[in-house]
Amino acid sequence: GAGVSQSPSNKVTEKGKDVELRCDPISGHTALYWYRQSLGQGLEFLIYFQGNSAPDKSGLPSDRFSAERTGGSVSTLTIQRTQQEDSAVYLCASSSTGTGQFFGPGTRLTVL
Amino acid sequence: RKEVEQDPGPFNVPEGATVAFNCTYSNSASQSFFWYRQDCRKEPKLLMSVYSSGNEDGRFTAQLNRASQYISLLIRDSKLSDSATYLCVLYGSSNTGKLIFGQGTTLQVKP
Repeated sequence: GAGVSQSPSNKVTEKGKDVELRCDPISGHTALYWYRQSLGQGLEFLIYFQGNSAPDKSGLPSDRFSAERTGGSVSTLTIQRTQQEDSAVYLCASSSTGTGQFFGPGTRLTVL
Repeated sequence: RKEVEQDPGPFNVPEGATVAFNCTYSNSASQSFFWYRQDCRKEPKLLMSVYSSGNEDGRFTAQLNRASQYISLLIRDSKLSDSATYLCVLYGSSNTGKLIFGQGTTLQVKP
C-alpha cells in the first residue's frame, strides 16, 4: 500500500517568500505529524494533528509557521516570509493508534 | 538533561560483529519506545518497537529496562547494509502523540 507522500520533494525559494508544503498520510491514519531536520541535526517536532485538530502546536518556531489539516487527511505546512534559518528537510509522519510513526520522504527547503 | 540521550558514536565494526547501543530517557512516565533507522539524507524508518519483555526481529534484539530508564538495541552478525544512524525514540507523554527523538548513534560496518 502507499506510504506517506510529500510534495514538493525539493523547494528553493527566496528569502521573504511564502512556501506551502504538502503531506498525504497513509490512508486511515488519524494522527499526522510535522518535523524538521536541519543538516546533521536531530529531528525537531513542529506540530501534531489528531483528525483535523491540532492538540500540540508547541514546536512551531514562530508565528510565521502554520499548518492545517482538512478532511482528516492531507495537511499543509505554510511558512510565511521565509528566512534562511528555515532551510531544512521538513518531514511528515502519520500513525494509527498505538503504532510507531511512518515518515514521508520529506521536502528539502532551501531559502536563498 | 536531555529527554533522550544516545552516544552519537560512530561505532566502527567489522562485518559479522555484534554491536549494542544504549539509550537513556528522563521521563519515567514514557510508555512507548521505538528504534528507528535513518540512512544518510533519507527519512527515518521504523525498525522495531521495544517491549518490556524484550523482543527480537531476526538479527535485531531490543530491550527495555524501566527501572533504570534505558533501552537497548543489539545487532548480531552485522552486515554492510546495517550502516546507518539508529535513533532511540519514545512518546513524550501519553496524550500528545509527540515523539521524542534521540540524536542518534551512527554505525559503520566495514568489510
